[in-house]
Amino acid sequence: EPEVTQTPSHQVTQMGQEVILRCVPISNHLYFYWYRQILGQKVEFLVSFYNNEISEKSEIFDDQFSVERPDGSNFTLKIRSTKLEDSAMYFCASVRELQETQYFGPGTRLLVL
Amino acid sequence: QKEVEQNSGPLSVPEGAIASLNCTYSDRGSQSFFWYRQYSGKSPELIMSIYSNGDKEDGRFTAQLNKASQYVSLLIRDSQPSDSATYLCAPRGGSSYKLIFGSGTRLLVRP
Repeated sequence: EPEVTQTPSHQVTQMGQEVILRCVPISNHLYFYWYRQILGQKVEFLVSFYNNEISEKSEIFDDQFSVERPDGSNFTLKIRSTKLEDSAMYFCASVRELQETQYFGPGTRLLVL
Repeated sequence: QKEVEQNSGPLSVPEGAIASLNCTYSDRGSQSFFWYRQYSGKSPELIMSIYSNGDKEDGRFTAQLNKASQYVSLLIRDSQPSDSATYLCAPRGGSSYKLIFGSGTRLLVRP
């Protein structure tokens, strides 16, 4: 069964450094999402992406964040200058049609020191 | 006002019992409702989706939706210790396709 994959599974970085989190959505999916979950808190929507454009973003997704689909298979989330409060699990999700179920990748645990 | 409310639990039930998980939501435009299961440190895993008022059954799981009351629930019959996890309610907004998650209810199934 096709799966969403994410790399790395864990990332430790110093405050102020840039990080890129990678996702490979299911191959025939067209809509892509990033969510995050701070330890002990709820899963929060960050951004949705379709046709090489951001279709919606939350107030969390400020100028420090960007998303890209660089090569038709990968979907990346970049944090330009990480803060301590960016420490969280970051989940990628994808869906073929908007009304269908979103399938989540295994997540990247980001720790900012 | 919280968008999606769930009792945080833990809800403790003995093995073989029925576990009842509840969720209320504030966006009256929500059209689709999802229950995800999340084990500690793992990603959300879809359990069920429901789109119409009433009940929907899938194996040991039954989702119930009442849009007038803005209420959705999940029943787990014959609960197993492996069902012990956090259950996340996630309506999908009426004007948006993002999922809005509740904080989840932690379920403990005692052997």
